[in-house]
Amino acid sequence: GAGVSQSPSNKVTEKGKDVELRCDPISGHTALYWYRQSLGQGLEFLIYFQGNSAPDKSGLPSDRFSAERTGGSVSTLTIQRTQQEDSAVYLCASSPRQGRGLSYEQYFGPGTRLTVT
Amino acid sequence: GDSVTQMEGPVTLSEEAFLTINCTYTATGYPSLFWYVQYPGEGLQLLLKATKADDKGSNKGFEATYRKETTSFHLEKGSVQVSDSAVYFCALSDRVNYGGSQGNLIFGKGTKLSVKP
Repeated sequence: GAGVSQSPSNKVTEKGKDVELRCDPISGHTALYWYRQSLGQGLEFLIYFQGNSAPDKSGLPSDRFSAERTGGSVSTLTIQRTQQEDSAVYLCASSPRQGRGLSYEQYFGPGTRLTVT
Repeated sequence: GDSVTQMEGPVTLSEEAFLTINCTYTATGYPSLFWYVQYPGEGLQLLLKATKADDKGSNKGFEATYRKETTSFHLEKGSVQVSDSAVYFCALSDRVNYGGSQGNLIFGKGTKLSVKP
């Protein structure tokens, strides 16, 4: 079946602009994660959604970052007033289910490479 | 907090050589352990996993054993090929609601492997 898809694959934006990154998880996967991959910081967890529950935002680096998930499926990560340090590859992953005492492997999309000039 | 430490690269081997990439972890709960691989220009792919102590994960000739006593999950392959050239990431995912975990992955910094013909 189809894997996790992300769009756009590449995004170049000017400092101070807002950007939206989209993630389509694998159909039926209720858990969705956003990560950021950068040279200096490696792979960092940003935000987690489980179904329609309120997201865990504990990994977001600043209040310029926000995310939403509509209908328990598609997710959008928004970065407001972008800064050069936001340049990175933003990865989305989905997982079949997460629950107390359980952990499942995550399937990653190809990522969106964001360059802030 | 939870963390993963893996050997720094780059690692350069000749084809058919034996590969070991060391990985150790610290965790407060009962983590699952993973190796992910990122081939040049591609996204993260799950290579193998182990969910409890003494489990051995294996795939494509790669193996790793979950060693709770040494908190390790070293990746091995008996005979590497040029096509194995990639970046390898060790990761853990603690069980949901253990130590505040939301099941997010915590990654090591990655080890770049280059295999020469």
